[in-house]
Amino acid sequence: QQQVKQSPQSLIVQKGGIPIINCAYENTAFDYFPWYQQFPGKGPALLIAIRPDVSEKKEGRFTISFNKSAKQFSLHIMDSQPGDSATYFCAASSSGYSTLTFGKGTMLLVSP
Amino acid sequence: EAQVTQNPRYLITVTGKKLTVTCSQNMNHEYMSWYRQDPGLGLRQIYYSMNVEVTDKGDVPEGYKVSRKEKRNFPLILESPSPNQTSLYFCATLGSDTDTQYFGPGTRLTVL
Repeated sequence: QQQVKQSPQSLIVQKGGIPIINCAYENTAFDYFPWYQQFPGKGPALLIAIRPDVSEKKEGRFTISFNKSAKQFSLHIMDSQPGDSATYFCAASSSGYSTLTFGKGTMLLVSP
Repeated sequence: EAQVTQNPRYLITVTGKKLTVTCSQNMNHEYMSWYRQDPGLGLRQIYYSMNVEVTDKGDVPEGYKVSRKEKRNFPLILESPSPNQTSLYFCATLGSDTDTQYFGPGTRLTVL
């Protein structure tokens, strides 16, 4: 079964720190790598996504780094804030976006 | 306002009693999908639909049915629910731009 392995399971950082969440995949056919943010009691929301033709993408304080040869991608949150405390999921999909395979999630706590 | 609605939001039922969870969207998106979320397992795709009358299995389709008779609705049917289907269910849509994605608010189902 196609897998996306996400680490760490949980992460605590102080306000202003830079939490980094990592994901690794196996299927080389994957060509779309989104990250989702989920607050308690809410559905996931697309945060940022990358395709393998670029090695980095930034949107505000959120950055995806992508390493195609290592089959890894990571999410960095710059200047993290308590409001960033949430569960983050990475995912991967192949062309046509038929199926989406999720990592198991990382619970992030940003302490004041 | 872009919206994905799910009903009911909470449901407690008994083994074997057929139930339907509805999902409706107002964005005219062709792609719709159902996921279940379980602690420690992340989100797993149940079924997806690329367009009206086109549905396909995701990673965990056993025990579920779907239909897509019109673009805006994508109901999830459990014909004979079992306790292992106790979970949090999310419906999601995708527009022509993969960055246009929306998840519903979730349906928490408990099967006794």
